[in-house]
Amino acid sequence: QVQLVESGGGVVQPGKSLRLSCAASGFTFNNYGMHWVRQAPGKGLEWVTVISYDGAKKYYADSVKGRFTISRDNSKNTLYLQMSSLRVEDTAVYYCAKDPRRSDWYGSFDYWGQGTLVTVSS
Amino acid sequence: EIVLTQSPATLSLSPGERATLSCRASQSVSSYLAWYQQKPGQAPRLLIYDASNRATGIPARFSGSGSGTDFTLTITSLEPEDFAVYYCQQRRSWPPFTFGPGTKVDVK
Repeated sequence: QVQLVESGGGVVQPGKSLRLSCAASGFTFNNYGMHWVRQAPGKGLEWVTVISYDGAKKYYADSVKGRFTISRDNSKNTLYLQMSSLRVEDTAVYYCAKDPRRSDWYGSFDYWGQGTLVTVSS
Repeated sequence: EIVLTQSPATLSLSPGERATLSCRASQSVSSYLAWYQQKPGQAPRLLIYDASNRATGIPARFSGSGSGTDFTLTITSLEPEDFAVYYCQQRRSWPPFTFGPGTKVDVK
């Protein structure tokens, strides 16, 4: 069965960096686009970024553009989110989510990880 | 950016009752709308994609309808496990893919 397991969250000071990982199993990882979606405490869902199956195409929400970088290592079945210049408002649970479409993306999220909490605080 | 609004914010119902949740888009999203269910402390789960298609393993009591700017998620007879927050999401115009603010279905 499909499994997505995020790691790398924690407490970080404003302006610092953090890298999240998402280990995927149960499906052919290098066939699918992947997303990061976040949820601030007590708030709704916010799409953050998407990457195509081969890593060639990437898009970002304006709120993170220029600060966050999505990448993937298909040999390790792992998705990453490099976050820099972190702000208090980036505090959230970060979920990795699988796109249902082979190749680039379809734009919905058929499987989600359990999430990893990132807290940006001084 | 396409903005999604959901109503009501909270829906208080009893098990066995019918739930009708609404999602409205600021411009047409055609049929490119999905619904997710989220329970406390859990990740969201895909229920409906492209307005009316149930995702794998989703019970038949969940159904979606609508197109353009107005959409509905219906739960025909609420089970205890259905009390949760429900989000709609559009994929018509991106980036960004956007979500609605959610509707909480709680026990009356």
